[in-house]
Amino acid sequence: EDQVTQSPEALRLQEGESSSLNCSYTVSGLRGLFWYRQDPGKGPEFLFTLYSAGEEKEKERLKATLTKKESFLHITAPKPEDSATYLCAVQETSGSRLTFGEGTQLTVNP
Amino acid sequence: ETGVTQTPRHLVMGMTNKKSLKCEQHLGHNAMYWYKQSAKKPLELMFVYNFKEQTENNSVPSRFSPECPNSSHLFLHLHTLQPEDSALYLCASSQEGSGRGEQYFGPGTRLTVT
Repeated sequence: EDQVTQSPEALRLQEGESSSLNCSYTVSGLRGLFWYRQDPGKGPEFLFTLYSAGEEKEKERLKATLTKKESFLHITAPKPEDSATYLCAVQETSGSRLTFGEGTQLTVNP
Repeated sequence: ETGVTQTPRHLVMGMTNKKSLKCEQHLGHNAMYWYKQSAKKPLELMFVYNFKEQTENNSVPSRFSPECPNSSHLFLHLHTLQPEDSALYLCASSQEGSGRGEQYFGPGTRLTVT
C-alpha cells in the first residue's frame, strides 16, 4: 500500500527566511510525485511533477527535488503570499490514483 | 469557463434529502475523479472514470452514487447522508495515456449535512 508522510505539519516563517518541506513516500513503482498548493476554501493547485530520482523543478521561489525515498520543496526568500497548505502525492506505475499526504500548512509572516 | 468547475460551491442538506454535485472540465481530458477532503485528513479518492467508464470505486458507501455521461461532465448524487459526510468534495481531471499524470482540481463543494 502506498504511503505518503509530510513534515512538518505546520511551519511558520518570517518573510525572507528560507526553509524546506519534506515528503517521504513508499510506493511499489513510482510513476510520478506531485506537489500541489491549496489555499483555504479552494481546490489544490498543481505545482510540479517529478518522475525520477535526481530530478529538480523550479517555479519562482519554489524548488522541488526527488530521491528514491523522499522529496523536498525548498522555499527561498518566501513572501506572505506563499502562505498555503502544500500537498504531496504519489502515483503508481499501475494506475492513475493519487495517494496524498496530510500536507504542510505554511505561514509566512511579514 | 476554463479549467475545472464545480457547482454548487456550498451545500447544506438534511439527512433525508437528495442532492447532486456537478463537475465540468474544460481541458479536453479523458479521466475524471471525485475526492473527499475532511479536516485533518489526507484527500481520499472516491471514484475514477476513464472515457466515461468507472474504473475505480474506493469502497465508497452506496449513499454516494456517481454518474459520468461524457468525458467532460461528472456528477455525484447524494442521498440519506450522515453528518460525518460533511466535507469538501473535490472533482479533478487528467489526460490518461499522455505520460503526464497530473490531475487538475476544481474549487470544490463544501457540503454540510445537518
